[in-house]
Amino acid sequence: EPEVTQTPSHQVTQMGQEVILRCVPISNHLYFYWYRQILGQKVEFLVSFYNNEISEKSEIFDDQFSVERPDGSNFTLKIRSTKLEDSAMYFCASSAGTVAPGELFFGEGSRLTVL
Amino acid sequence: RKEVEQDPGPFNVPEGATVAFNCTYSNSASQSFFWYRQDCRKEPKLLMSVYSSGNEDGRFTAQLNRASQYISLLIRDSKLSDSATYLCVVNGMDSSYKLIFGSGTRLLVRP
Repeated sequence: EPEVTQTPSHQVTQMGQEVILRCVPISNHLYFYWYRQILGQKVEFLVSFYNNEISEKSEIFDDQFSVERPDGSNFTLKIRSTKLEDSAMYFCASSAGTVAPGELFFGEGSRLTVL
Repeated sequence: RKEVEQDPGPFNVPEGATVAFNCTYSNSASQSFFWYRQDCRKEPKLLMSVYSSGNEDGRFTAQLNRASQYISLLIRDSKLSDSATYLCVVNGMDSSYKLIFGSGTRLLVRP
């Protein structure tokens, strides 16, 4: 069964360091997303990406964040200068775009711990 | 008012019980509604979409009331494996592809 894969599963970093989280969406999917979940809190939308550009982003997704699809398979989230409050589980998701919006397939997540 | 509001629970029920979860949403323009399931420290997984006419998938039944901006999920004949957090999800106001998640309702099914 096709799946969304994410690396790393867990990353520990020092405050102020740059972090890149990587995702390989399902191959025939057209829409890509990053969500995050702070421990004990709800899942929050960060950004959606379609046709090689950001289609929308939340207020959380400030100038410290960027996304890229450097090749035909990877989709990355970069945090330029991490803060303590960036500690969370980051979920990548993808959807085909031809089915009802919201039928997202999530990866297992990358847990980011900022010290 | 929260965009998507759920009772956090936990709902603690015996195996075989029927349990119902409710959810309210604030944006009357939302068009898409879903229930996702999330196991502890795992990713959310789509349980079912919610249609205006109501829909059923095995032991699970979802209902939507647009007038009251209310969504429900009914689980019949609960199994131990149903223990999880159930997330009510709606699409955002300004885009069909942005999902707004509720905080979830935790279900514990005991033997």
